[in-house]
Amino acid sequence: TQLLEQSPQFLSIQEGENLTVYCNSSSVFSSLQWYRQEPGEGPVLLVTVVTGGEVKKLKRLTFQFGDARKDSSLHITAAQPGDTGLYLCAEGGATNKLIFGTGTLLAVQP
Amino acid sequence: DSGVTQTPKHLITATGQRVTLRCSPRSGDLSVYWYQQSLDQGLQFLIHYYNGEERAKGNILERFSAQQFPDLHSELNLSSLELGDSALYFCASSTRTSGTGELFFGEGSRLTVL
Repeated sequence: TQLLEQSPQFLSIQEGENLTVYCNSSSVFSSLQWYRQEPGEGPVLLVTVVTGGEVKKLKRLTFQFGDARKDSSLHITAAQPGDTGLYLCAEGGATNKLIFGTGTLLAVQP
Repeated sequence: DSGVTQTPKHLITATGQRVTLRCSPRSGDLSVYWYQQSLDQGLQFLIHYYNGEERAKGNILERFSAQQFPDLHSELNLSSLELGDSALYFCASSTRTSGTGELFFGEGSRLTVL
């Protein structure tokens, strides 16, 4: 069973700071998705990465897929209170199930 | 609004009881996924249906069952409820048959077992 470990578990920072969260797997990802979940809502897809070494940017968010496709990172530049939420990585492939990581809970203080 | 509708939003019941959670997927989506989210276990995959057929199972307890109906809505049945079943239950839908597509999640059903 593939395990997706995310770190850190919790992160509390001030508005304007930069941060990076990580997602690591016990085996190779076929593809990886990043979701954000806000309180009282379901997760919402941010990005999908497929190719080893791939980098995708979404405004202040930068997603990187490791060369060996066993890890991924999410970097947020100049964090804002609106970035607060639970960040989840997820791996699916062709298994008919999307497995989520343990999550990183981010709080950005104004 | 993701387009996925879950009912009820909140449910409080007693141990030993049975409940049914309902999910209506986005229009046109044939795949429905059920997840359980709790503080200690995170977001756990339960089961996936595609066009009425079960496609994959996660660590779903035998006390839990699900089905997807011809109109594509799905129900998750939880029976002989225990305190530990208290959690948020999410339904998600997708156009894809496999897990690589984007999942659109509902707002969840919060179950409290007393």
